Amino acid sequence: EVQLVESGGGLVQPGGSLRLSCITSGFTFSNYWMGWVRQAPGKGLEWVANIKQDGRERYYVDSVKGRFTISRDNAKNSLYLQMNSLRADDTAVYYCTSFRGWGQGTLVTVSS
Amino acid sequence: DIQMTQSPSSLSASVGDRVTITCRASQDISNYLSWFQQKPGKSPKSLIYAASSLHSGVPSKFSASGSGTDFTLTISSLQPEDFATYYCQQYNTYPHTFGQGTKLEIK
Repeated sequence: EVQLVESGGGLVQPGGSLRLSCITSGFTFSNYWMGWVRQAPGKGLEWVANIKQDGRERYYVDSVKGRFTISRDNAKNSLYLQMNSLRADDTAVYYCTSFRGWGQGTLVTVSS
Repeated sequence: DIQMTQSPSSLSASVGDRVTITCRASQDISNYLSWFQQKPGKSPKSLIYAASSLHSGVPSKFSASGSGTDFTLTISSLQPEDFATYYCQQYNTYPHTFGQGTKLEIK
């Protein structure tokens, strides 16, 4: 069974940092592009970032460039999102995604 | 950025109906289009990739077509579990933009 399990969300003050993790199982993680998609409360889906199988290509939506970093550890079947300089408009549920499925999401709330 | 526009934004239908949702890209995306289903409080589920290919385990009541800029998702014989919000996403060019969603409600 394919599983993607996110963790690391929570309440953080504006300007703060969080690191999201996604542990996967049930498929060959190293064979797939991986990504993060977010959904602000009551809103639609927004693609955030993607990373290639070997980690050598990374792409970001303009609104997070320079603040967020996507990375992966193929030995641990894990995907990460380091989020710095967080703003109120980063508040959302963050989903770990792949061709093989989506995680259940982790809520990030940026508020003072 | 490529803009993805879904229509309608909301749709009321009855159990047993057949419905079609459209997705239009602001420029040619070939067949690099996916469709997702999201139920309230749940994470999205992948339905379609490459514009018309069903993901494993997705029932054949879902079908999709299109290429270039115009795409459709059709759901036949609606059942209660099909009432959800549907999103298209292009993955031809970064950023991989989503449509705004189509909320399918029971009439």
